[in-house]
Amino acid sequence: ETGVTQTPRHLVMGMTNKKSLKCEQHLGHNAMYWYKQSAKKPLELMFVYSLEERVENNSVPSRFSPECPNSSHLFLHLHTLQPEDSALYLCASSQEDGTNYEQYFGPGTRLTVT
Amino acid sequence: DAKTTQPPSMDCAEGRAANLPCNHSTISGNEYVYWYRQIHSQGPQYIIHGLKNNETNEMASLIITEDRKSSTLILPHATLRDTAVYYCIVRVVRMDSSYKLIFGSGTRLLVRP
Repeated sequence: ETGVTQTPRHLVMGMTNKKSLKCEQHLGHNAMYWYKQSAKKPLELMFVYSLEERVENNSVPSRFSPECPNSSHLFLHLHTLQPEDSALYLCASSQEDGTNYEQYFGPGTRLTVT
Repeated sequence: DAKTTQPPSMDCAEGRAANLPCNHSTISGNEYVYWYRQIHSQGPQYIIHGLKNNETNEMASLIITEDRKSSTLILPHATLRDTAVYYCIVRVVRMDSSYKLIFGSGTRLLVRP
């Protein structure tokens, strides 16, 4: 248990569906991240939120829409996805204070787009 | 651009030391070297990090060369549960102090019984 939880753990959705991934951190951290891990590829950083402000958006298609309502919660809203978006989506958090350096990852949501 | 180079796979015998190398020849003076590992289908787990000096914690030791162009992660007594993909990462420092971890392909370590 890392203190970062993600729901659901598995999701199957059609290309016309709308769904949301949820991440919650119980560590009191002030930064949260979304990563994508496709089969046979390295983890790719998608979004970074620091103090609830989005500070990074790595050219992610608009069909992925992040939301950070407070420092403990992060969502990834999905709509009109493509089969190539099937992947493991990982959430992470960290404390941005210049002294702590670790990111803590959740277990991920395995997404399959049919 | 991951800025690090690692062998794709390694193996070692259970109970022996596992030494995982990493090259980071373009590392900048203020960039840290991080190691994470990812056990199958789980989220990555932080192991250790360092800047210049060698570091040790309860999981591993990190040896960084004097020129900082390479490092070695050492698992002193590998167990079967250490079988995982190990990522060597150079931390990209941002002006607003938040940072990115750029993951490469890592080294797949297999610990043999």
